[in-house]
Amino acid sequence: EDQVTQSPEALRLQEGESSSLNCSYTVSGLRGLFWYRQDPGKGPEFLFTLYSAGEEKEKERLKATLTKKESFLHITAPKPEDSATYLCAVQGAGGGNKLTFGTGTQLKVEL
Amino acid sequence: SQTIHQWPATLVQPVGSPLSLECTVEGTSNPNLYWYRQAAGRGLQLLFYSVGIGQISSEVPQNLSASRPQDRQFILSSKKLLLSDSGFYLCAWSVTSTNEKLFFGSGTQLSVL
Repeated sequence: EDQVTQSPEALRLQEGESSSLNCSYTVSGLRGLFWYRQDPGKGPEFLFTLYSAGEEKEKERLKATLTKKESFLHITAPKPEDSATYLCAVQGAGGGNKLTFGTGTQLKVEL
Repeated sequence: SQTIHQWPATLVQPVGSPLSLECTVEGTSNPNLYWYRQAAGRGLQLLFYSVGIGQISSEVPQNLSASRPQDRQFILSSKKLLLSDSGFYLCAWSVTSTNEKLFFGSGTQLSVL
């Protein structure tokens, strides 16, 4: 069974204070690892897909990286508008169309 | 461009009452469609997915059912709601050929009292 564990559960940063969110996973045959952003009371919004170890993707202040056991979402010089819950999910070879999600990291960026 | 509509945004229902949540997708054909539930402190749980009209796969045995009467319409139903059915329900779609990158609706917050 595919499993995803995200840490920390919550993170409070000052504006401009860079940090990283962790997503540890176990999966049988990784087909893709996904990062989503979710604002309160809204549906998740797609950020990145990573397919193989060593792959990196960037979008504005966010950079996602992937190893064989975990993924990191690096946030550089965050702003208050980056405050949200960040979700990680994996799609394994044996899961068909199913994504397995972690419980997320709730990020709050303060002025 | 593709859009997904989900309604209602919030719903308060008594225990034992029926449920019908609707989701429609515009701007694409033959999408994969999904219903997820998100409970506080838990990850998104896949409830149902559909690869075509009338084709429904259930991931978790429960008090809910799903139907896909049209290509871009997905309905979540219950005949009698339980307290444990409370949660945030999300509809999503993906491109059939790649089965990745889910696009989510805005969600329905269901409270069963």
